[in-house]
Amino acid sequence: DIQLTQSPSFLSASVGDRVTITCRASQGINSYLAWYQQRPGKAPKLLIYDVSTLHSGVPSKFSGSGSGTEFTLTISSLQPEDFATYYCQQLNNYPLTFGQGTKVEIK
Amino acid sequence: EVQLVESGGGWVQPGGSLRLSCAVSQFTFSDYWMDWVRQAPGKGLEWVANINDVGSESYSVESVKGRFTVSRDNARNSLYLQMNSLRVDDTAVYYCVRPAVFGARGFGYWGQGALVIVSS
Repeated sequence: DIQLTQSPSFLSASVGDRVTITCRASQGINSYLAWYQQRPGKAPKLLIYDVSTLHSGVPSKFSGSGSGTEFTLTISSLQPEDFATYYCQQLNNYPLTFGQGTKVEIK
Repeated sequence: EVQLVESGGGWVQPGGSLRLSCAVSQFTFSDYWMDWVRQAPGKGLEWVANINDVGSESYSVESVKGRFTVSRDNARNSLYLQMNSLRVDDTAVYYCVRPAVFGARGFGYWGQGALVIVSS
């Protein structure tokens, strides 16, 4: 199975901060990497797929990049509604796998 | 607006069975592969299984193989997850999910989730 390791697992930041979350895969996953946001008690929401394609309706403050085994999600200016848990997912190999999550909290 | 609505969750004893359903609307169901994803209480996301557009091909995570079966009825716009030999560690919210767009690899649409509790 492909392991995805997110760093950091926990992040404390302020409104307006630029935030970057990293996702490292245990082997190459081509460009089949997605990012999700999950707020407490809610279903996850897709932010980005295919490494850098913004899902419909997602604000442009979210961006994704990377290749091979290292990928990043960047939030350009953190707003109160962005405090949530973020997951990466690889969709290149079965079983599809998720990272362990990065919880972004208010400093 | 794309809608995915799960039903069939509940409490079951270890070794028991449950069948989850996902009723979809506002898109052509038969065009899409469909997946199930679960989340145990306080834990991360885990992909469970998927099925192709015509229901002839499916894949699942190792921990549910031989116990869970995913199926679909395109005439009824419905996805199913038959769960047998349930274990305590199957306790989770189960989400029905659809790709963002046709051919995309990313789950763009999620149901509200169905809670399954396996406990004696």
